[in-house]
Amino acid sequence: DAGITQSPRHKVTETGTPVTLRCHQTENHRYMYWYRQDPGHGLRLIHYSYGVKDTDKGEVSDGYSVSRSKTEDFLLTLESATSSQTSVYFCAISEAGDNSPLHFGNGTRLTVT
Amino acid sequence: DAKTTQPNSMESNEEEPVHLPCNHSTISGTDYIHWYRQLPSQGPEYVIHGLTSNVNNRMASLAIAEDRKSSTLILHRATLRDAAVYYCILCRGSTLGRLYFGRGTQLTVWP
Repeated sequence: DAGITQSPRHKVTETGTPVTLRCHQTENHRYMYWYRQDPGHGLRLIHYSYGVKDTDKGEVSDGYSVSRSKTEDFLLTLESATSSQTSVYFCAISEAGDNSPLHFGNGTRLTVT
Repeated sequence: DAKTTQPNSMESNEEEPVHLPCNHSTISGTDYIHWYRQLPSQGPEYVIHGLTSNVNNRMASLAIAEDRKSSTLILHRATLRDAAVYYCILCRGSTLGRLYFGRGTQLTVWP
């Protein structure tokens, strides 16, 4: 299994509070991604990174920011959590950015009350 | 983005082969066909991918139609652990991770 660790695995937070989710990889892959998965919507890309300090927006980036200061860590921050951000968040990595397979972590279940 | 069409659900008995179909009539020449599966409470897992030729790996085989408008994921001997949602996805290099997972096919394996 690809070495991807997401933390925390579960979190409950209140509306308006900041939340940071962490993705840590031991594969030294260049590309990292954050997705959210919701019933009826499948997986949707939030942000991705193609190198240290190089990030870009996905299809549902509003309300989220990311940072990548080291190859192995990709952080997703909800500046002010809203109930619509209750979801399961998955981190993924890939060796290259073309058609390389994605390898996913086991997810973080976030509940915003 | 090019989309795929899969049956909502399929069933199989343990140790029997399973053929999971996928239609992708709007596929472009540079789209790769990827298959992922997702077990309950886990992240998606890469299964196999291909462009034009049939592909085999330790998990499955991928049969791609000559016109590339459809493909079939073949599990040669289903096990209980293969019960999952299977996603057929078109992957274009320029889309960089913007994979459209859709609803996939829920595979049930009976003992």
